[in-house]
Order: sequence, then structure tokens, then C-alpha cells
Amino acid sequence: GAGVSQSPSNKVTEKGKDVELRCDPISGHTALYWYRQSLGQGLEFLIYFQGNSAPDKSGLPSDRFSAERTGGSVSTLTIQRTQQEDSAVYLCASSQREGREQFFGPGTRLTVL
Amino acid sequence: GNSVTQMEGPVTLSEEAFLTINCTYTATGYPSLFWYVQYPGEGLQLLLKATKADDKGSNKGFEATYRKETTSFHLEKGSVQVSDSAVYFCALRRADKLIFGTGTRLQVFP
Repeated sequence: GAGVSQSPSNKVTEKGKDVELRCDPISGHTALYWYRQSLGQGLEFLIYFQGNSAPDKSGLPSDRFSAERTGGSVSTLTIQRTQQEDSAVYLCASSQREGREQFFGPGTRLTVL
Repeated sequence: GNSVTQMEGPVTLSEEAFLTINCTYTATGYPSLFWYVQYPGEGLQLLLKATKADDKGSNKGFEATYRKETTSFHLEKGSVQVSDSAVYFCALRRADKLIFGTGTRLQVFP
């Protein structure tokens, strides 16, 4: 079956622009997670959804970052007024429910010039 | 707080050598522990896990034992192959989010 998919695979943007990153979880998975992989910070948790609600947003680095999930499926991570330090690979994962194995997508590589 | 510390790489080995990648953790209670692997050009994959003290996780010849006395979860393999070349991440799960170590790059040469 299909795994977690993310789009775009690569995104280059100019400083100050807004970007949207999309994640399609595995069908039927109720939990969805966003992580960020960067050279300076390693792999860090950003936000987690159970259904359409986000019980844990503790990892979002600033109020420029937001995420939503609709229909218990697709999620969008939005970064407003991008900065160079936002350059990273953004990973999405999903699991059948809380506490189960998380399956990761291939990531979106964001480069802010 | 909760954190994971793993040995820095790269680790460079010849094929059939013995592998150890050290991982220690700091956490309240007894979290589940994981090793994830990222092969070149691919996404993160779960390699093995252990959910309680003294559990041994194993997969593809890799093993790791949950040691609460030393708060460690070291990854071992008796005989590595070129195809094991990848980045390995140790992680713990707390409140359903994964907290990762910095990753260790393994390079295996024929």
C-alpha cells in the first residue's frame, strides 16, 4: 500500500516569503506528526495531530509556524515570512493511533535564500 | 528534561566488522526506545524497538538491549555489510512524540 507522501520534495524560496508544505498520511492513520531535520538542531519534533486537533504544538519554533489538518487526513505546515534558519528537511509521519509505530515520509527539503 | 545522546560519527568499518553505536538517554520514568535508520536518499525507517527494561529489540542482524541501570540502548551488529551504510538515529518516545539523538553515520567499505 501507499506510504506517507509529502509535497513538494524540494522547495526553494526567498527570505520573507510564505511556504506551504503538504503531508498525505497512510490511509486510516489517525495520528500525524511533523518533525524538522536540520544541520544545527538534528531531528526535532514540531507538532502532533490526533484526528484534526493538535494536542501538542510544543515544538513549533515561533508563531511564524502553523499547521492544520482537515478531514482527519491531509496536513499542511505553513511557514510565514521565511528566514534562512528555516532551511531544513521537514518530515511528516503517521501512525494508526497514538502510541503505535510512526511511519515517515520522504520529507520536503526547504531552502530559504 | 528528556534527551538522547549518541556517539558522533562517521563510523567507518570494513565489511564483516563488529559494530557498536552508543546511545544513552535522560528521561523520567521508562520510555520506549527506538533505533531508526535513514538509507541514502530514503526516508526514516524503524529498525528496532524496546518498550521496557531488559527488553532486547532485534531486526536484520541488529540488536539493542534496554538497560535502565545505565540508561543505555546501544546498537550492535556482529558482521556489517556495505548495504548497512546509512545514518542511524536513537530515539525515545515521550507523550507520543519521538525525541531523537543527533544521528551517527555508518560507512562500510568492502
